[in-house]
Amino acid sequence: EIVLTQSPDFQSVTPKEKVTITCRASQSIGSRLQWYQQKPDQSPKLLIKYASQSISGVPSRFTGSGSGTEFTLTINSLEAEDAATYYCHQSSSLPLTFGGGTKVEIK
Amino acid sequence: QVQLVESGGGVVQPGGSLRLSCAASGFTFSNHGMHWVRQAPGKGLEWVAFIWYDGSNKYSADSVRGRFTISRDNSKNTLYLQMNSLRAEDTAVYYCAQDPCSGNICYLSQWGQGTLVTVSS
Repeated sequence: EIVLTQSPDFQSVTPKEKVTITCRASQSIGSRLQWYQQKPDQSPKLLIKYASQSISGVPSRFTGSGSGTEFTLTINSLEAEDAATYYCHQSSSLPLTFGGGTKVEIK
Repeated sequence: QVQLVESGGGVVQPGGSLRLSCAASGFTFSNHGMHWVRQAPGKGLEWVAFIWYDGSNKYSADSVRGRFTISRDNSKNTLYLQMNSLRAEDTAVYYCAQDPCSGNICYLSQWGQGTLVTVSS
């Protein structure tokens, strides 16, 4: 099973700051890495597919990068509506797995 | 637009059974693989199972294999999860999710709103 380790677990950020979340895979997954945003009492929403590919309708301040075992989600100029938990997810091999999540709080 | 609506959740005793449904609309259901994912209260996401567009292949997590069965009825645009021998640790919100691919797993693109399953005596 591929283990995804996210860091940090929690981040408290002021609006307009840049947020960087890292996801490390226990073995190479190429670019088979997605990022999801989950707000309280809502279902997850796809932000980035295949490590760096944007999703229609998702604000351009969300960008992804990386390949192999190291991946990054960057939120440029954080907005209040970005308060949520962010999860990485690998679709390289079964079982599909998720990172433990990073909760982003707005100061 | 894509809509996925789960139903069938509720409270069930340990050892009991439950069948979840996921009604799909807004896309050609029979062209897409489908997933179930769960989230225990206050916890992270756990993938449960995947089924090919035509139901010919199915995969599931070790934690549910032999107890849960994923299936679909393309004539009804509906995905199912039959859950047997339920345990307290199966308590979670269960989400269905669309895969943009038909057979191979690509990723989870659209998610339903979830249905809560509580296993308790």
